[in-house]
Amino acid sequence: AQSVTQLDSQVPVFEEAPVELRCNYSSSVSVYLFWYVQYPNQGLQLLLKYLSGSTLVESINGFEAEFNKSQTSFHLRKPSVHISDTAEYFCAVSDLSNFGNEKLTFGTGTRLTIIP
Amino acid sequence: DGGITQSPKYLFRKEGQNVTLSCEQNLNHDAMYWYRQDPGQGLRLIYYSQIVNDFQKGDIAEGYSVSREKKESFPLTVTSAQKNPTAFYLCASGTDRSPNSPLHFGNGTRLTVT
Repeated sequence: AQSVTQLDSQVPVFEEAPVELRCNYSSSVSVYLFWYVQYPNQGLQLLLKYLSGSTLVESINGFEAEFNKSQTSFHLRKPSVHISDTAEYFCAVSDLSNFGNEKLTFGTGTRLTIIP
Repeated sequence: DGGITQSPKYLFRKEGQNVTLSCEQNLNHDAMYWYRQDPGQGLRLIYYSQIVNDFQKGDIAEGYSVSREKKESFPLTVTSAQKNPTAFYLCASGTDRSPNSPLHFGNGTRLTVT
């Protein structure tokens, strides 16, 4: 069975500083990896995903994540955060061999707070 | 604009009462999902439906029921058998089983049972 660990439940960061949100997964097979973002009082939105190919994936708003198979990690980074990045971020994993959205396993989330 | 509408945004009920949460989508998606979100626990799947008139239990289906009579609608009933119903409930939909088709979420319903 697959699992996802987001060790940091809350991360406060000063505006324009860099940030890294950590995600580690456990699975006996190859996986797909996702980051979803939840802005206050809203549902989740897909931020970026790793399916195959380049291990570095980017989003349109400056976030990037790198798939590291040896460390079973998919950490999310941004070199300079903005107030509008305040949100909760969820890492999710699914087995590659039998994908279905119903099989997605979500992490417990990391609340990113930007300090002006 | 296409999207998923959940109503109401906030819902209050007395213990022992059943309550139904609405979820409507106009994205023409075949699959729909209900998740429960609790602080520090992430999202847990309650029920999902891949097609009209068919649905399957997720990881925490006990105390919940659903129906899928129309493609656009997937209501969730929280029954009195659900021991801890107070939570944030999210409805989602998706096009198919491809990982290139991400989940689309509604804005959620916050249910408080006292």
